[in-house]
Amino acid sequence: EVQLLESGGGLVQPGGSLRLSCAASGFTFSSYAMSWVRQAPGKGLEWVSGISASGGSTYYADSVKGRFTISRDSSKNTLYLQMSSLRDEDTAVYYCAKAASRYYYDSWGQGTLVTVSS
Amino acid sequence: EIVMTQSPATLSVSPGERATLSCRASQSVSSNLAWYQQKPGQAPSLLIYGASTRATGIPARFSGSGSGTEFTLTISSLQSEDFAVYYCQQYYNWPQTFGQGTKVEIK
Repeated sequence: EVQLLESGGGLVQPGGSLRLSCAASGFTFSSYAMSWVRQAPGKGLEWVSGISASGGSTYYADSVKGRFTISRDSSKNTLYLQMSSLRDEDTAVYYCAKAASRYYYDSWGQGTLVTVSS
Repeated sequence: EIVMTQSPATLSVSPGERATLSCRASQSVSSNLAWYQQKPGQAPSLLIYGASTRATGIPARFSGSGSGTEFTLTISSLQSEDFAVYYCQQYYNWPQTFGQGTKVEIK
């Protein structure tokens, strides 16, 4: 059974940094692309960042480009999202998602809440 | 960026009735379109990919159609567990984009 477990969320001040982690199990992590998708309170889904299976290609939404960095460690079966220069509008539940053969998502974690507030 | 527009924002349907949800892309995404269901307090779950292929374990009452810029998700006979928010997503190019969602509520 595929399991994705996010961690690292919490309260951070504007301008601060946070690193999210997503521990994966139940599948060959190194064979699948992964993404982060967020959802602000009461709002819809917003794709944030994606990374290829090898880690050699990364993609970002314009809203986070230059501030967020996605990475993966296949030795630890873990996906990361390093977030810096955080803004109020980054407040959201952040989901990690496993891509299927293309970049649609067949498994999702339960999410971790990031709150940016002074 | 490709903009995905879903309609209606809210759909009120009685159990057992048919629900038709629409998703329009601002430019062609071919068949690179997925549908997700999200229930309150839960993560989204995949329903349809490739515009019309049901994901594993998805009941036959869910069907997807369309290509290019116009897509439809049809739920043939709504069950109580189908009342939720539905999102479309294009994965034709970067950045990927989601529609704003359609809430299917009990009439």
